[in-house]
Amino acid sequence: GAVVSQHPSWVICKSGTSVKIECRSLDFQATTMFWYRQFPKQSLMLMATSNEGSKATYEQGVEKDKFLINHASLTLSTLTVTSAHPEDSSFYICSARGGGQGSSYEQYFGPGTRLTVT
Amino acid sequence: GQNIDQPTEMTATEGAIVQINCTYQTSGFNGLFWYQQHAGEAPTFLSYNVLDGLEEKGRFSSFLSRSKGYSYLLLKELQMKDSASYLCAVRDRRDMRFGAGTRLTVKP
Repeated sequence: GAVVSQHPSWVICKSGTSVKIECRSLDFQATTMFWYRQFPKQSLMLMATSNEGSKATYEQGVEKDKFLINHASLTLSTLTVTSAHPEDSSFYICSARGGGQGSSYEQYFGPGTRLTVT
Repeated sequence: GQNIDQPTEMTATEGAIVQINCTYQTSGFNGLFWYQQHAGEAPTFLSYNVLDGLEEKGRFSSFLSRSKGYSYLLLKELQMKDSASYLCAVRDRRDMRFGAGTRLTVKP
């Protein structure tokens, strides 16, 4: 199946700093990418949806100025957590959907990035 | 919006069969997915249903009834490695949202 990578796989940062997470579709063009957040023992919560070349659509309660999403190309989307605080510590997972290899209905998930803010 | 419900936890015995139910409410239904997620890992795709009926894939089967807003995931010949969370996800016209997940424990 199609492959989606995320980098870094884990990161520890100090409170007040910013962290950028990259999500790449390796063998297909992702017209739409999704960013999810998952707290321990909870399900995935959709944060935002981004289409290549346009602004991301944020879910209610997700601060767009805090979680900056850039979908600059059909293979790359980035999530930047600005001025991170301990409550932002979570497992961030991206997902990509698009044409090319793989079924158009399927979303492919990256391996996730574990963020710890101290 | 969407409302997706599934049991929080289930326990079953190795070699047995288990059925995990999922009910949902959504506007603009565009498919139902089941994912498996082991602790600390990203979800992996198991099945997809967009039409009513049963989809079988090896030891896993998934059923959908759109009129009832209901799906189930059936796992046969359970193995210890099947212990994981199983997520029901519903896609509407715009995006995919997940249920809270069912944590399945398989015991010897």
